[in-house]
Amino acid sequence: ETGVTQTPRHLVMGMTNKKSLKCEQHLGHNAMYWYKQSAKKPLELMFVYSLEERVENNSVPSRFSPECPNSSHLFLHLHTLQPEDSALYLCASSQDAAGVYEQYFGPGTRLTVT
Amino acid sequence: DQQVKQNSPSLSVQEGRISILNCDYTNSMFDYFLWYKKYPAEGPTFLISISSIKDKNEDGRFTVFLNKSAKHLSLHIVPSQPGDSAVYFCAAPLSARQLTFGSGTQLTVLP
Repeated sequence: ETGVTQTPRHLVMGMTNKKSLKCEQHLGHNAMYWYKQSAKKPLELMFVYSLEERVENNSVPSRFSPECPNSSHLFLHLHTLQPEDSALYLCASSQDAAGVYEQYFGPGTRLTVT
Repeated sequence: DQQVKQNSPSLSVQEGRISILNCDYTNSMFDYFLWYKKYPAEGPTFLISISSIKDKNEDGRFTVFLNKSAKHLSLHIVPSQPGDSAVYFCAAPLSARQLTFGSGTQLTVLP
């Protein structure tokens, strides 16, 4: 595997379900990100992890719970979601070095909440 | 309020011609800009970037121009190819780890 991978690629869940999204990066990066992309809207940053420590949480509801067990893996645990949470969830990684801003994205998980 | 704006949601260009995608920003402190390309069912792919110490950066068919006084940047693709059809996002760093993105422009290159 190369780059940033995400599983599953598609997920349909009911509002009472609990599910998890998984991201893995094979680039040797030390920062990882979760983004949400809703239709016709810019990408919204949700969480940032650097060296497995959460460094940013952009006012995301507690029904989204991230986990970063090591610098290569990132999870997003989902519970009691709402239909408006249906979106494309993107994971990204970066080198987290001064002046290095490029982030590399996975293919995303298309989430539908019914 | 969006600090990076792409005012054209879509653009159609004939194959072989030039595509020009535009982006405006409001924060004069931005000193670095990035362009990403996104195909359907894939994540955004980093395309090209420019530092504010330059006004132009070129990589093959892709050139980004920066006009700091106008707070405007543009991505030129020449010649355009059908495989360039995608959504293009401009972005700027709000901090060391946070990028702010425009809402994207859908480019369609017609054969």
